[in-house]
Amino acid sequence: GAGVSQSPSNKVTEKGKDVELRCDPISGHTALYWYRQSLGQGLEFLIYFQGNSAPDKSGLPSDRFSAERTGGSVSTLTIQRTQQEDSAVYLCASSLPGLASNEQFFGPGTRLTVL
Amino acid sequence: GDSVTQMEGPVTLSEEAFLTINCTYTATGYPSLFWYVQYPGEGLQLLLKATKADDKGSNKGFEATYRKETTSFHLEKGSVQVSDSAVYFCALSGHLRNTPLVFGKGTRLSVIA
Repeated sequence: GAGVSQSPSNKVTEKGKDVELRCDPISGHTALYWYRQSLGQGLEFLIYFQGNSAPDKSGLPSDRFSAERTGGSVSTLTIQRTQQEDSAVYLCASSLPGLASNEQFFGPGTRLTVL
Repeated sequence: GDSVTQMEGPVTLSEEAFLTINCTYTATGYPSLFWYVQYPGEGLQLLLKATKADDKGSNKGFEATYRKETTSFHLEKGSVQVSDSAVYFCALSGHLRNTPLVFGKGTRLSVIA
């Protein structure tokens, strides 16, 4: 019954390191989204999963970014060889199938800082 | 592609003042429209929504009406409170189900007592 959860809440890493960010969507939500919120860029869509369909990766900024969703539930966003411009808050959202409005429910985000 | 344009802030108002944050959109078909709010230190929360033309979304004293003729979804509140200080995002979801949200840049509102 809990909302969308994300971990860690904060991550500080050094340039060049890989990071993994985790998202637990609301139970029963088959659609899962990753967004990035950064200064000057606002909220940007990254990637979207819908059930067993191939993910929509059209928002990923480079091939250093990838995401998986195992068992139709938990998702992991991986950033390889992090760069300083990757510093941002990464938000995960999920939505309930069949809702005409496509209301999305957001997690608290992971704040990534790349030194 | 789809896009959302909202007035840039920051906006500073005195308590009990009237608030309008303008939002216009460009989209094909009939998108759903949303206002999300982000309070300091917190995540994004849905404030209100509208799914078709002339619908009015309302919550916590905030209102917005889906105007297809002007492609707008302006946020209004008659009397703001200090607790309304936050960043407000206008967003749309395309006419296909479960499509990613397209957000405006956000408007920071500060309400002073």
